[in-house]
Amino acid sequence: AQKVTQAQTEISVVEKEDVTLDCVYETRDTTYYLFWYKQPPSGELVFLIRRNSFDEQNEISGRYSWNFQKSTSSFNFTITASQVVDSAVYFCALSGTFNGGKLIFGQGTELSVKP
Amino acid sequence: DADVTQTPRNRITKTGKRIMLECSQTKGHDRMYWYRQDPGLGLRLIYYSFDVKDINKGEISDGYSVSRQAQAKFSLSLESAIPNQTALYFCATSEPGTEDTDTQYFGPGTRLTVL
Repeated sequence: AQKVTQAQTEISVVEKEDVTLDCVYETRDTTYYLFWYKQPPSGELVFLIRRNSFDEQNEISGRYSWNFQKSTSSFNFTITASQVVDSAVYFCALSGTFNGGKLIFGQGTELSVKP
Repeated sequence: DADVTQTPRNRITKTGKRIMLECSQTKGHDRMYWYRQDPGLGLRLIYYSFDVKDINKGEISDGYSVSRQAQAKFSLSLESAIPNQTALYFCATSEPGTEDTDTQYFGPGTRLTVL
């Protein structure tokens, strides 16, 4: 089965703490893509990153970093020195040939960063 | 200007009314999608279209219909609205066969309330 699991429903941290959002996926495909999206309180869905299954290099973008590990089928997202503006719901998603390119979303993790 | 736009942004309607939500995109993408988001249920795919002549049902298409008027336009209709269709609706686009394959770009959402 193809599935994305975000086990953390809600996380609350204090500003400047580091926080990691977990994402575990299941797929039979050998070629697939993983994504993270951010949904701030204003409601829009913002694309953050896309990762190809053949590229296990970690990626860093400012305070954001992503750790992709095929051995554990995980694609975790870390925010370093969190800020109040990071408060949002974060969705992990999976696509592949199994699904004709459509996205399968996890249930989302609501991150609250308190001042 | 935004690449993916949705109209209206907010709508309140009554049970039994027919309502249309519209989506337009300037990204030149062939693929378009309609999702609904309910609290705690994440994003669920209603319909998708891989080109103007290709329209497919998603996981929750009952009670909805769509029209792909052009590459840039994809409309979602609720034939006879019911209260449990109250939700946040998103349109998205993607383009296959590129470095951005399967990445979906979302519109700002339409908040629909059915009384």
